[in-house]
Amino acid sequence: GQQVMQIPQYQHVQEGEDFTTYCNSSTTLSNIQWYKQRPGGHPVFLIQLVKSGEVKKQKRLTFQFGEAKKNSSLHITATQTTDVGTYFCAGGTGGSYIPTFGRGTSLIVHP
Amino acid sequence: DSGVTQTPKHLITATGQRVTLRCSPRSGDLSVYWYQQSLDQGLQFLIQYYNGEERAKGNILERFSAQQFPDLHSELNLSSLELGDSALYFCASSSAGFRDIQYFGAGTRLSVL
Repeated sequence: GQQVMQIPQYQHVQEGEDFTTYCNSSTTLSNIQWYKQRPGGHPVFLIQLVKSGEVKKQKRLTFQFGEAKKNSSLHITATQTTDVGTYFCAGGTGGSYIPTFGRGTSLIVHP
Repeated sequence: DSGVTQTPKHLITATGQRVTLRCSPRSGDLSVYWYQQSLDQGLQFLIQYYNGEERAKGNILERFSAQQFPDLHSELNLSSLELGDSALYFCASSSAGFRDIQYFGAGTRLSVL
């Protein structure tokens, strides 16, 4: 079945440093979504990518979808303590309704 | 506030018992998803309902069942509970299918003692 691997599992950074999490699928994806879950909270939708090579930005966050539509990344520039949380990617395939979530990357920002 | 309501927030029960978790989707959303989140397994998709019918099934145990009612609220029933069922259970809703944005509820934390 479809697998979505996300790395790293944890990332500690000093405030102001950059952060990147990567999402890799064993199969070609039709779309990928990114969610953020704050400690003690619930996942909150950030963005969806559907086109090969697509790049989208939200302030300090940059999301990319690979040319082959099998990988994606989320990059945060100059992290802040408010960026703390777990970032999940979720991939879908054309023939399946089942969303496959990565295990998530927990970002810890040290002031 | 996502607009998705889950009750109860916390549930403490004993092994072998049965519990029901409830979810009210956002107004207008037809799809409801159930997820289980535990420390060692991440966010696991359990089941999806669309407008009252089961659409997709993930890693849902046979001891678990769900349904979506005509008013679109959904219930997740967990029976013969085991210690390993202790987890956070999230409900999410979307307007139609998975490719739509999913809005998550605050979750129900289940503790099986």
